[in-house]
Amino acid sequence: AQSVTQLDSQVPVFEEAPVELRCNYSSSVSVYLFWYVQYPNQGLQLLLKYLSGSTLVKGINGFEAEFNKSQTSFHLRKPSVHISDTAEYFCAVSASYGGSQGNLIFGKGTKLSVKP
Amino acid sequence: ETGVTQTPRHLVMGMTNKKSLKCEQHLGHNAMYWYKQSAKKPLELMFVYSLEERVENNSVPSRFSPECPNSSHLFLHLHTLQPEDSALYLCASSQDYQADTQYFGPGTRLTVL
Repeated sequence: AQSVTQLDSQVPVFEEAPVELRCNYSSSVSVYLFWYVQYPNQGLQLLLKYLSGSTLVKGINGFEAEFNKSQTSFHLRKPSVHISDTAEYFCAVSASYGGSQGNLIFGKGTKLSVKP
Repeated sequence: ETGVTQTPRHLVMGMTNKKSLKCEQHLGHNAMYWYKQSAKKPLELMFVYSLEERVENNSVPSRFSPECPNSSHLFLHLHTLQPEDSALYLCASSQDYQADTQYFGPGTRLTVL
């Protein structure tokens, strides 16, 4: 089985500052990893995903994440945030093969609040 | 319409009411999902349909009844709900069951009085 831990429930940051949202996972099998964003009163939108290959993944809106297998982490970063990045961010994991492949396990989310 | 749509966006119902949530995907996908998003809890997978057949049912109470009449439509029928069922209900779809990427709708905000 897989599990996801998002270490920070809330992250306040000033506009144009860098930000890192942390995500750690556990799994007995190899995994796919995802970051989704949820803007107020909206559904989840895929930011980026790691399936295989390069451990540095670039996504939409200037976000990127790095898969670190030894530390079982998939932290999300952006070098300079905007007010419009204020949202809740969800890390998710699924097994890359087997019966639970495709079953997304989500973390509890991190609320990013960008202040002017 | 593009992507995944859900109606209604907001629903308030009493515990004795019967209502239905509707989801429609315009992506040509073969798998559809219902999730429950409660405050301070991770998203919970409720049901999965693949090619109109239910493939997952994660111990969801029988007061929630899904229906998938075709690969583009998914319903969640609600009856005799409890206040703790108040949540955001999200629908998602993917190309196939166990595909790597799911696409989400905007959700229905349900309040049970």
